[in-house]
Amino acid sequence: AQTVTQSQPEMSVQEAETVTLSCTYDTSESDYYLFWYKQPPSRQMILVIRQEAYKQQNATENRFSVNFQKAAKSFSLKISDSQLGDAAMYFCAYRSPALITGNQFYFGTGTSLTVIP
Amino acid sequence: DSGVTQTPKHLITATGQRVTLRCSPRSGDLSVYWYQQSLDQGLQFLIQYYNGEERAKGNILERFSAQQFPDLHSELNLSSLELGDSALYFCASSVSSGTSGRNEQFFGPGTRLTVL
Repeated sequence: AQTVTQSQPEMSVQEAETVTLSCTYDTSESDYYLFWYKQPPSRQMILVIRQEAYKQQNATENRFSVNFQKAAKSFSLKISDSQLGDAAMYFCAYRSPALITGNQFYFGTGTSLTVIP
Repeated sequence: DSGVTQTPKHLITATGQRVTLRCSPRSGDLSVYWYQQSLDQGLQFLIQYYNGEERAKGNILERFSAQQFPDLHSELNLSSLELGDSALYFCASSVSSGTSGRNEQFFGPGTRLTVL
């Protein structure tokens, strides 16, 4: 089974600064999808950004961008100009292609991000 | 609003009891996933259904069961409840297709279960 590893249980960043959250995964598949989800104190799971493995270009959503290194099986999230509202638990997720595993999702253990005013 | 609804939002019950959690996926989504999240823990995948059939099983206890109905809503049944079952239970749905498009999971707001 695929595994997703987030090696940073906790991170902190000063407001307006940039922070990078790490994620690595293990897979033998060539086509898959990667996601970052945010879980604020409300506990709602919110999609932050997605990346298709077949795309070489790194995904970007406003202040959020990823560094996708397919060969290294690395998928880090960069948050620029950090805001207090970015404080949350961040989960990295991997999705298998549907035909192989029924598009099962695998989640990392999460990184708790604190934003310091 | 993700389009995924879960009821009830909160549930308080006693040990040994049985409860049913309900989930309605987004319109058009055929896959439903159930997750358990205990306090300050990650997401534990329980089970997945696709168009009424069980597709994948995770760390789901034998005391727990689920099903997906013809209208695609799903129910998670938890029986012989123990204190340790207190958690936030999420339902998520997705389009089950390997083709391009939106392939992420959309999460419901969760049901917070407290077992006393």
